Amino acid sequence: GAGVSQSPSNKVTEKGKDVELRCDPISGHTALYWYRQSLGQGLEFLIYFQGNSAPDKSGLPSDRFSAERTGGSVSTLTIQRTQQEDSAVYLCASTKNPGTPEQFFGPGTRLTVL
Amino acid sequence: AQTVTQSQPEMSVQEAETVTLSCTYDTSENNYYLFWYKQPPSRQMILVIRQEAYKQQNATENRFSVNFQKAAKSFSLKISDSQLGDTAMYFCAFMSFNFGNEKLTFGTGTRLTIIP
Repeated sequence: GAGVSQSPSNKVTEKGKDVELRCDPISGHTALYWYRQSLGQGLEFLIYFQGNSAPDKSGLPSDRFSAERTGGSVSTLTIQRTQQEDSAVYLCASTKNPGTPEQFFGPGTRLTVL
Repeated sequence: AQTVTQSQPEMSVQEAETVTLSCTYDTSENNYYLFWYKQPPSRQMILVIRQEAYKQQNATENRFSVNFQKAAKSFSLKISDSQLGDTAMYFCAFMSFNFGNEKLTFGTGTRLTIIP
């Protein structure tokens, strides 16, 4: 596609439910990143994929968070047993190759946990 | 670990004026990238300008320019002839040169409002 796309755009869920957030990177981009933007704060790194493997998952805040990437393309971020503090905008970015400095961002998914 | 600090949570300026946004960072590395990203209400992060630490010359992109002071670990953004479309959150970000460690470290942002 022309740019990074994410779905859904907005997600409202109840505390304790599981959610899945999807990211479609730019075609041909091998590196993919997930970030979280909490209200009034900057973006914090969650996980980095190179192809289908995740060499850096140091930013995942707890074991309730997991992510996978299949076919070197689409990635899914899963949050199990959501908590109110998980409410945030989740942003995905991709780059063509590792070491390429410019990351192209998607529009994000706004997650609200009631 | 790297840290990025933006000490101005909010700023406003009249249209057509010049505004400077501040950013400081802390790192023990010698080679790295610095960025300014713009985030309008649409949430889309847009790259404004990039600076390689090994370059002494300050980066410029049309109305946007930076003042990069490596020794002071300072990286400010100057917007000249500000326009209403410049209204947005602006984030300063750091990226290591180390292969396999390309995650961005962001500051907390500056909300810039351009007043008509």
